[in-house]
Amino acid sequence: SQQGEEDPQALSIQEGENATMNCSYKTSINNLQWYRQNSGRGLVHLILIRSNEREKHSGRLRVTLDTSKKSSSLLITASRAADTASYFCATTGGSEKLVFGKGTKLTVNP
Amino acid sequence: DAGVIQSPRHEVTEMGQEVTLRCKPISGHNSLFWYRQTMMRGLELLIYFNNNVPIDDSGMPEDRFSAKMPNASFSTLKIQPSEPRDSAVYFCASSLQGYNTEAFFGQGTRLTVV
Repeated sequence: SQQGEEDPQALSIQEGENATMNCSYKTSINNLQWYRQNSGRGLVHLILIRSNEREKHSGRLRVTLDTSKKSSSLLITASRAADTASYFCATTGGSEKLVFGKGTKLTVNP
Repeated sequence: DAGVIQSPRHEVTEMGQEVTLRCKPISGHNSLFWYRQTMMRGLELLIYFNNNVPIDDSGMPEDRFSAKMPNASFSTLKIQPSEPRDSAVYFCASSLQGYNTEAFFGQGTRLTVV
């Protein structure tokens, strides 16, 4: 069963714009992770944020976590065509499984 | 390190045939996961090994699926007999320590059962 649900399902922006993707989940978590998947490739880990953290940065990526709302967001600033990919959130919680959402498909137009 | 290595990259087989997918995790990682990805169901965890021992196989669809990890550097996922609904991309991933650390994914095996 899916724990995280990403929103929107698809997002199309112009190069240079910021992209924001959201993830909502249902039960309490230990941590939340964001992954990227380029077409036809495996998933690549982007950021892990623990349940006691509120914000984390990595380069052009910013992740926030609001455990009271059971939601997280991934912000990509100054997007590039190479950021075109599907982005997934994944949570670990009581079941201890790493459960993935269905992803947000991001298209960055040059 | 070359990362997680899966073979084959593509497999086309006829219904009823046995299929074996292979995975070599990153050296030093003690956790290994098999996932299946389809358009309809997204990414599903099939089985999780820790220190070569299956910890959670509740995601294995049915008895036709089996997975082994005979040593720390090799795992197989076998489907026997295969069915068209098994067509999917199968990913192997490994991590340093269970679910709470970064998982490194292989490139996947695209399985088509005709």
